[in-house]
This record gives sequence, structure tokens and C-alpha cells, in this order.
Amino acid sequence: DIQMTQSPSSLSASVGDRVTITCQASQDISNYLNWYQQKPGKAPKLLIYDASNLETGVPSRFSGSGSGTDFTFTISSLQPEDIATYFCQQYDNLPLTFGGGTKVEIK
Amino acid sequence: EVQLLESGGGLVQPGGSLRLSCAASGFTFSSYAMSWVRQAPGKGLEWVSTITGSGGSTYYADSVKGRFTISRDNSKNTLYLQMNSLRAEDTAVFYCAKDFRYSSSPKDAFDIWGQGTVVTVSS
Repeated sequence: DIQMTQSPSSLSASVGDRVTITCQASQDISNYLNWYQQKPGKAPKLLIYDASNLETGVPSRFSGSGSGTDFTFTISSLQPEDIATYFCQQYDNLPLTFGGGTKVEIK
Repeated sequence: EVQLLESGGGLVQPGGSLRLSCAASGFTFSSYAMSWVRQAPGKGLEWVSTITGSGGSTYYADSVKGRFTISRDNSKNTLYLQMNSLRAEDTAVFYCAKDFRYSSSPKDAFDIWGQGTVVTVSS
């Protein structure tokens, strides 16, 4: 199975800050990497697919980059509504696997 | 509006069975693979199972293989998960999710999620 290691597991930042989350795959997954946002008590929401493509309707302050084993998710200017847990997910191989999540809080 | 609505969760004793349903609307259901993803209390996301659009191929996580069965009725736009021999570690919110792309591959992003249904396995 492909292991997805996300870091940090939590972070606290101020409104307007740039926030960066990393996700490392245990083997090369090309660009088969997605990012989701999950707010408390809600279902996950797809934000980024294929490592760097913004899903329709998602604000442009969200972005993703990377390929191979190392990926980055960025919020360019943190907003109060961005408080959530973010997960990466690989779809290069079955079983599909998710990172452990990064909980983003406002400082 | 594209929508998924799960039902069928509840409290069940260890060793018991439960069938989850997911009613889909707003898209051509038979054109997309569908999946179940679960989330144990306070934990991360775990892929459980995927079924192709036609229903002809199914895929399972090792943790549920032989105990869970995914199926779909394209005439009713409904996805199912039959869960047998339930264990305490199956306790979770179960989400149904639609594959992002029209494809025969079971490997994809999930662009539409249901609200989730809670399964609790306890005596």
C-alpha cells in the first residue's frame, strides 16, 4: 500500500498568513494526488485534483504543486472560513489512501 | 443539483449486519464509479470500496474484504454497502462518494460526497 505522510498534523496561523501543508508518498505517484477540505461535522470537499488543478468554484487562494513523491498545498492568504482539516489522497494505486490530515486553526 | 443521500446506519452488535444505501440525483448515475469512504471517530479517511459504473467490477480494502459487499442499482440510482460480521473497529461515519471523472478506472478523486451515515458496532 502507498503510505501518505502529511505534515504538520496541526497548525495555527493568523488571518492573512500564507499556510503550507506537505504530503509525501511512500513511492512515486506521478501527479495522482488530490487535496480535500473537511469542516467539522461535514463531508470532505474536493479542492485540488491531479496535484495542481483547482476544482471549479474553489477560491484561487488555494493551490497545489508537486509530482513524484513530494507535494505541497498552499493557502496564500488564510481566511476565517478556511478553518478545517485538510487531507491529501493518492489515486495511483489501490487501495486509495489518504494522508493523516492537517488541522488548520486561527491564531 | 448533484446530491448523494446516505441512509441505513445505526447501532449494531458485534457480528451483526447492516446495509447502507446511497441515493444519487442530479447526474447520470450509471456513468460514474461510486465508492464508500469511512471515518472512525476523531480519525482520518479510509477508502472502503469502489464499484464501476456498470457494476461489473468491484474493489475492496483488505480490512473489509470478505465481509462487505458493494453493489448498485442503476435503475434506482442507488448505491449499496452490505456489511456483515461487523466489528467494533468498523464504527465510523460512512460516506458515499462519486468519482470525479467519467471513466472505467476505479482510481480517481471524489468530487461529490454524501452527508454521511453513522455506524456504531457495540454490545
